[in-house]
Amino acid sequence: SQELEQSPQSLIVQEGKNLTINCTSSKTLYGLYWYKQKYGEGLIFLMMLQKGGEEKSHEKITAKLDEKKQQSSLHITASQPSHAGIYLCGAERNAGGTSYGKLTFGQGTILTVHP
Amino acid sequence: DAEITQSPRHKITETGRQVTLACHQTWNHNNMFWYRQDLGHGLRLIHYSYGVQDTNKGEVSDGYSVSRSNTEDLPLTLESAASSQTSVYFCASSGHPNYNEQFFGPGTRLTVL
Repeated sequence: SQELEQSPQSLIVQEGKNLTINCTSSKTLYGLYWYKQKYGEGLIFLMMLQKGGEEKSHEKITAKLDEKKQQSSLHITASQPSHAGIYLCGAERNAGGTSYGKLTFGQGTILTVHP
Repeated sequence: DAEITQSPRHKITETGRQVTLACHQTWNHNNMFWYRQDLGHGLRLIHYSYGVQDTNKGEVSDGYSVSRSNTEDLPLTLESAASSQTSVYFCASSGHPNYNEQFFGPGTRLTVL
């Protein structure tokens, strides 16, 4: 099994619906990163969470890191076709910011939004 | 604007051939990474470097090598390409001021026949 498990693996929603993607770690998370990837392109950074209980929002996307720091959720409100793509979570495994960018990634969640 | 580029974007090669994928960044980042992306596996780390002359193995380094002779470039070499190395390869970099935020290149799609 992978260190970072994302669920669901794929998701199809109707435009306007809310959705949640989860990222569960088998080890303590010292930093959790969410990226979005459009087909055929590189990854775009969305947001980063470090503290248990932390929550960040950007436009209609909200990410949370649970208190015990082993799970994160990404929530999209009123989804749009522009939200479609692959969402990946990445984990920093070293405390104190000593990973120097070395992340472990989940397998990704493919999101399709039908107009 | 600073950026990270990869070349070629697409490559078809034959089993047993040596292949080199280029990665060039103008962020002046010390940290550079190579990943491969395969369906069901997400991104897996191949090699990484924290500075000139520094290279480290990731979780799937067998059959790959890297060298870091300057800050801007981290080429990835497949010594003897195998069909199992058919994948999409991404280069990334990170550095000051946020050392853990990675900036990704557009990817190279490699097919080994």
